Amino acid sequence: DTGVSQNPRHKITKRGQNVTFRCDPISEHNRLYWYRQTLGQGPEFLTYFQNEAQLEKSRLLSDRFSAERPKGSFSTLEIQRTEQGDSAMYLCASSPSGGVKETQYFGPGTRLLVL
Amino acid sequence: QKEVEQNSGPLSVPEGAIASLNCTYSDRGSQSFFWYRQYSGKSPELIMFIYSNGDKEDGRFTAQLNKASQYVSLLIRDSQPSDSATYLCAVGTGRRALTFGSGTRLQVQP
Repeated sequence: DTGVSQNPRHKITKRGQNVTFRCDPISEHNRLYWYRQTLGQGPEFLTYFQNEAQLEKSRLLSDRFSAERPKGSFSTLEIQRTEQGDSAMYLCASSPSGGVKETQYFGPGTRLLVL
Repeated sequence: QKEVEQNSGPLSVPEGAIASLNCTYSDRGSQSFFWYRQYSGKSPELIMFIYSNGDKEDGRFTAQLNKASQYVSLLIRDSQPSDSATYLCAVGTGRRALTFGSGTRLQVQP
C-alpha cells in the first residue's frame, strides 16, 4: 500500500500526559500537512511542511503542540500536557509539489481520547 | 461568517436519484476546489477537484464551479446506498492549507 500511513490509529491517554503521533506520507510527496477534526466539523489545518521545513502554522497550534519532519520524510506531531479538549481525530495529508493546485491525500488518521 | 459553508443535512434521496450537494465560500481569491467523501469513523477520501468555471464530470460525479457567485456543487447521479456518507467541500486560496466546510451528510434510501 503506497498511501499515507499514520500510527497509532487510536490513542487513549490521561489528561496531562504527552502523546506523539507519526505520519508517513506518499513516498514521492514533498508536502505534508497536519489537520485536526472534531465530531461534526471539517478538518482544521494545524501545520504544513515542505520537505523538512515547517512553513506554516495555524493559530490553533498552541505551544503544547510541536511538529517535526527531520529528514523530509515522515513527520511526528507531539502534544504535551494533553487536555480533554485535545480529543479529536488527527489527520495527516501529503501532496506532490506543483503549485497551488496540488491535491492533498489523507491518511487514516489517529483518534485521540483524553480522559 | 464561515469561510466555507455547507448545509449539514441530512440530505435524503432515494436510490437511483440525483443528489445535489452545495457549497459557498467567502474568499474571492480562492483558486482550487475539492470534494472529499468521508464515511463515519474514516478519513476524507478525494472524489473530485475543479479549478475553472463550469462543469467537470467523472463517472457518476459532476463538479460545478461558479466563481462569480462563489459557489461550488457536486452532483451524484444514480445514487447508491454506498454513497451514503458526509461530503466535505474544501477550498484552496493559494496558501498551502485547505479550508474545509463542516460537511453535508447524504443518506441514500434503498
